[in-house]
Amino acid sequence: GAVVSQHPSRVICKSGTSVKIECRSLDFQATTMFWYRQFPKQSLMLMATSNEGSKATYEQGVEKDKFLINHASLTLSTLTVTSAHPEDSSFYICSAESTYEQYFGPGTRLTVT
Amino acid sequence: AQKVTQAQTEISVVEKEDVTLDCVYETRDTTYYLFWYKQPPSGELVFLIRRNSFDEQNEISGRYSWNFQKSTSSFNFTITASQVVDSAVYFCALSELYSGNTPLVFGKGTRLSVIA
Repeated sequence: GAVVSQHPSRVICKSGTSVKIECRSLDFQATTMFWYRQFPKQSLMLMATSNEGSKATYEQGVEKDKFLINHASLTLSTLTVTSAHPEDSSFYICSAESTYEQYFGPGTRLTVT
Repeated sequence: AQKVTQAQTEISVVEKEDVTLDCVYETRDTTYYLFWYKQPPSGELVFLIRRNSFDEQNEISGRYSWNFQKSTSSFNFTITASQVVDSAVYFCALSELYSGNTPLVFGKGTRLSVIA
């Protein structure tokens, strides 16, 4: 089956710094990727839809200037958490879509100290 | 708007017991997909099943079975003879069918603990 990778799997950063998370589709091309966030013991909530070559679409309440999404190629989308704060600590999961099937990455656990 | 409700927040069973996880959904779409995912402590989502709205047949896969009833908008998941390795959070999810560019809407999840 199709494989989606995320890097890094875990990251700890200091408050005020920026963190970039990569989401790659390894064996297929994905025109659309989704970014979800999951706080501890909560559900996955869609943050944004990332389309190759165009601007991302953010869900209501998600700050586009804080969560920068770039989908520069058909196999890579990046999420940059700018000026991270402890409340941004969460599990970030991407998914990539290929012919109406969605494949999830293994997730990135971000801890902001 | 689409919505998925998993009323059971946590369930605890003794090994070898059967357990059913409930899922009720709301959608205005006449065609849609329903999913179940398992999330072990590692966090990675494990795909269990995808069912489209045209197919109401129940499905069995080993110890897992799913009961889809459009009349009650439910898509329940049963684990037979539960094992400790089944301990995880289980999510039910919903998406549009065939439209592409469509994210999943997840329920809040049910945490299953299977005790030896």
